[in-house]
Amino acid sequence: ETGVTQSPTHLIKTRGQQVTLRCSSQSGHNTVSWYQQALGQGPQFIFQYYREEENGRGNFPPRFSGLQFPNYSSELNVNALELDDSALYLCASSLALRNEQFFGPGTRLTVL
Amino acid sequence: TQLLEQSPQFLSIQEGENLTVYCNSSSVFSSLQWYRQEPGEGPVLLVTVVTGGEVKKLKRLTFQFGDARKDSSLHITAAQTGDTGLYLCAGTSGSARQLTFGSGTQLTVLP
Repeated sequence: ETGVTQSPTHLIKTRGQQVTLRCSSQSGHNTVSWYQQALGQGPQFIFQYYREEENGRGNFPPRFSGLQFPNYSSELNVNALELDDSALYLCASSLALRNEQFFGPGTRLTVL
Repeated sequence: TQLLEQSPQFLSIQEGENLTVYCNSSSVFSSLQWYRQEPGEGPVLLVTVVTGGEVKKLKRLTFQFGDARKDSSLHITAAQTGDTGLYLCAGTSGSARQLTFGSGTQLTVLP
């Protein structure tokens, strides 16, 4: 059974740029959620995708957007990067309507 | 906005000691998960509790869900250095089953 994978591992961008992060869900999982974890804090829910559509969104501005593909993999796009976007971005996969979510190793984004 | 408060924020103990970490909220959650996270890695699921009053044991770890499903605790017996890590509680809510995380308890077990 393949776990959740994310790419890239680390990324450095400058303010105003755009970034795309990628996630492959665990085998058999059809739901992907994205979280942002700032240093020293717990993860915060960004949004969830199920059947290629957004299925819930946290308190993040529209410049955070996403996609889910037919193979259940997902992308997180962030436009007009700000310094405060520096964080660990976590992807979690799950089965629809199940409580348990399984996390990938994350992408560390640094915005200079 | 649903919030989860964890305490203590930091905990440093000697190997062999017992400890308890608390997770409290004013909101009811449909379920609560505990995760452990190590530096540079994503959170790893330890347990899910669903029923008010539920107690689950995982080797030396005991998890309890409050009767009103607003709070939870994690008790570790005879801590080992391998227990070192960031412990996160997370409540499930909404149709998307999104997780609301606490801020975490950083546990350090000294040899």
